[in-house]
Amino acid sequence: EAGVVQSPRYKIIEKKQPVAFWCNPISGHNTLYWYLQNLGQGPELLIRYENEEAVDDSQLPKDRFSAERLKGVDSTLKIQPAELGDSAVYLCASSLDGQYNEQFFGPGTRLTVL
Amino acid sequence: ELKVEQNPLFLSMQEGKNYTIYCNYSTTSDRLYWYRQDPGKSLESLFVLLSNGAVKQEGRLMASLDTKARLSTLHITAAVHDLSATYFCAVGRAGNQFYFGTGTSLTVIP
Repeated sequence: EAGVVQSPRYKIIEKKQPVAFWCNPISGHNTLYWYLQNLGQGPELLIRYENEEAVDDSQLPKDRFSAERLKGVDSTLKIQPAELGDSAVYLCASSLDGQYNEQFFGPGTRLTVL
Repeated sequence: ELKVEQNPLFLSMQEGKNYTIYCNYSTTSDRLYWYRQDPGKSLESLFVLLSNGAVKQEGRLMASLDTKARLSTLHITAAVHDLSATYFCAVGRAGNQFYFGTGTSLTVIP
């Protein structure tokens, strides 16, 4: 069974440019998460989807970040415009519905903003 | 706001030695997870602890959960170099909410 797929793996952009990350969760997983991980720190939740509904986006900086999961399967996270401080690893994770939802993580996208 | 604290943040230990990583959290929780992360890689699930007193073991790692003390431990027995990585605990709450600890960077020295 394929794991969580993310692309691209690495992205280098100039500040003020837009950037988009893509995630395809494990088949059958209805819950999808986007996390930001800064160097030496634990993941911090940006947004959580239950199917196509964003049920927790309280930590998403909505002035520049947006996300969508139109058909309740794959998802896109966008930053426009990017700032220097956005340099980090962006992780996608998915889990099954239910009470004890272990999360499975993708390989991440390492973003460098110059 | 739920806070999850791990200690130590950095751990350097010799091969063959034992040590424990601690994970404290500030409010009640439904479940506790341990993850491993190698440099430049994503997080790999190690253990899921679902109830008070739960203990799980895999190889040289053993995790336990005390919900009354709001404490989980990850015990390393007879460390080997392959265990060098960063270990995260994460607290799960109702509604699929996850809160990660700060991580413990473990280096096992030959």
